[in-house]
Amino acid sequence: QVQLQESGPGLVKPSQTLSLTCSVSSGSISSDDYYWSWIRQHPGKGLEWIGYIFYSGSTYYNPSLKSRVSISVDTSKNQFSLKLSSVTAADTAVYYCARDHTVTPSYFDCWGQGTLVTVSS
Amino acid sequence: DIQMTQSPSSLSASVGDRVTITCRASQSISNYLNWYQQKPEKAPKLLIYAASSLQSGVPSRFSGSGSGTDFTLTISSLQPEDFATYYCQQSYSALPLTFGGGTKVEIK
Repeated sequence: QVQLQESGPGLVKPSQTLSLTCSVSSGSISSDDYYWSWIRQHPGKGLEWIGYIFYSGSTYYNPSLKSRVSISVDTSKNQFSLKLSSVTAADTAVYYCARDHTVTPSYFDCWGQGTLVTVSS
Repeated sequence: DIQMTQSPSSLSASVGDRVTITCRASQSISNYLNWYQQKPEKAPKLLIYAASSLQSGVPSRFSGSGSGTDFTLTISSLQPEDFATYYCQQSYSALPLTFGGGTKVEIK
């Protein structure tokens, strides 16, 4: 059973860059069957998809965040990463990594436990 | 963006009740609709994909239906472990993928 685990700083200062990594275990990130996504949830709010990456490096981003987001993949480490630049308090959220199927209709069938990132000076 | 609207936003129900949650898309999304359950401080869990397909390991009291713009998640007999927040999500358009606002199911 594949497992995903987020890691990274829990506190980021305003205007800085948020950086998180998702480690994939018990399964290969280099699969034609999956995209690898980042999703966030503001405190007490709903879910917002940030973007995803294919193991080849192809990416899709939420247009609302596209100017500040970068997702990359390291197949040798079986990891993918999120960078969100110029953060403000509005970026305070729980950040999840998740696996999305490439088959259509696609769906998120495996999620990390989530990591809270607080933006504060 | 495809907007997903869930109703109600919250409901109170008793163990054994039949519960229905609806999700409406702002445009037709065929059957590209998924349902998730989220408990406090936990990641969402996939229940239903492609509108009506039950994810492996999910109890059969959960079912999904619908196509086009209107979808339903039904819990046939509510169990204590089902008290949670439920989200729908469309995968018809990845620009961007979007979720409904959630329905919180509480104990009456």
